[in-house]
Amino acid sequence: SYVLTQPPSVSVAPGQTARITCGGNNIGDKSVHWYQQKPGQAPVLVVYDDSDRPSGIPERFSGSNSGNTATLTISRVEAGDEADYYCQVWDGSSDHGLFGGGTKLTVL
Amino acid sequence: QVQLVESGGGVVQPGRSLRLSCAASGFTFSRYALHWVRQAPGKGLEWVAVISKDGSHKYDADSVKGRFTISRDNSKNTLYLQMNSLRVEDTAVYYCARGGGGAAGYFDYWGQGTLVTVSS
Repeated sequence: SYVLTQPPSVSVAPGQTARITCGGNNIGDKSVHWYQQKPGQAPVLVVYDDSDRPSGIPERFSGSNSGNTATLTISRVEAGDEADYYCQVWDGSSDHGLFGGGTKLTVL
Repeated sequence: QVQLVESGGGVVQPGRSLRLSCAASGFTFSRYALHWVRQAPGKGLEWVAVISKDGSHKYDADSVKGRFTISRDNSKNTLYLQMNSLRVEDTAVYYCARGGGGAAGYFDYWGQGTLVTVSS
């Protein structure tokens, strides 16, 4: 079965750029979506279809996807960006959703 | 605005059943696929099941196959998850989520979740 691999944690200083990766076999052939989840809250979609942003999501959040790695980039990181981030794809061959294990972003 | 409100969670013994509901408002319910996603305490997100707009197609994760059934009532704008033969490992917060993007399958709106605890 298809597996999505994320680093357990990423740390970044305020104002710097955070990059969170999501690895998968030929993931560049799939559409990748990203969610932000703060403690005690439901996940929020921050990037869909590799690089599109839902309305209300700051331009600081962007995404890319190529080869075996998709990346969520958060520019000018703020303390409020501290959260868990999950990548997700839809496996069309089985009609199953699939999440990565999640990455905890710490703002130093 | 889009709202999804789950209910029906609680404490249940292993082997028993529970039915979750998700009441939707703020959008045309019958135009969207709907999903259940769960999160065990301190763990990551796990997709559970999806149902198509008209309820004719349903798919679920291997971990719940044969035990959980997703359904919907478009006249009541409500999504359901019937959970039978519950196991300790089914303990989680269960979220309903609206499907976006057609075949691309992402979740554009989520409810706040309802906690299911399976324990003797």
